Amino acid sequence: EAQVTQNPRYLITVTGKKLTVTCSQNMNHEYMSWYRQDPGLGLRQIYYSMNVEVTDKGDVPEGYKVSRKEKRNFPLILESPSPNQTSLYFCASSFGVSTNEKLFFGSGTQLSVL
Amino acid sequence: QKEVEQNSGPLSVPEGAIASLNCTYSDRGSQSFFWYRQYSGKSPELIMSIYSNGDKEDGRFTAQLNKASQYVSLLIRDSQPSDSATYLCAVGNTGFQKLVFGTGTRLLVSP
Repeated sequence: EAQVTQNPRYLITVTGKKLTVTCSQNMNHEYMSWYRQDPGLGLRQIYYSMNVEVTDKGDVPEGYKVSRKEKRNFPLILESPSPNQTSLYFCASSFGVSTNEKLFFGSGTQLSVL
Repeated sequence: QKEVEQNSGPLSVPEGAIASLNCTYSDRGSQSFFWYRQYSGKSPELIMSIYSNGDKEDGRFTAQLNKASQYVSLLIRDSQPSDSATYLCAVGNTGFQKLVFGTGTRLLVSP
């Protein structure tokens, strides 16, 4: 089944404890992206990647890191999480890099930073 | 001014009625327009895309685009309770690998 797989689905952590949210797609998509969703603010892009080893900042990259060592994987790293990073996170991918392409979303990760 | 604006709702309609969802955008260079549906606690899923002025129909859904007015809408005919969800408008610029989402309109369809 074609899908974007995110793990974990729920995560509770404490301030400063490094964490990684994994994202993997099995559709051979070029483009991958991370979003966070907050009430009243909608979906905001954190980072995106147009290909292996090519990543770029979105609208809210502060406090996050990403890497794209393989085409299928695009992990999101929070090296020192803070409470303002409590949010619902979505990984997404698309076949091409144009904004004309349909985005496929993962099932989301609800992160709480205490 | 927000890049993509939507009324947060909720928009309440009775079953069988037409639901009309609206979205305005600020960037005149925008070339691609999408409507995503998001059920509570779930991920967004694409329901409609439109790239040129006019109407595009797909089953009970019609997307309407007016680039001169910087306005895109989604009509849902014969609304069903299962259509109750938040509808996200997304706008993309050709040449920019950026898709900007609105905050979404919550639709409630009552039986």
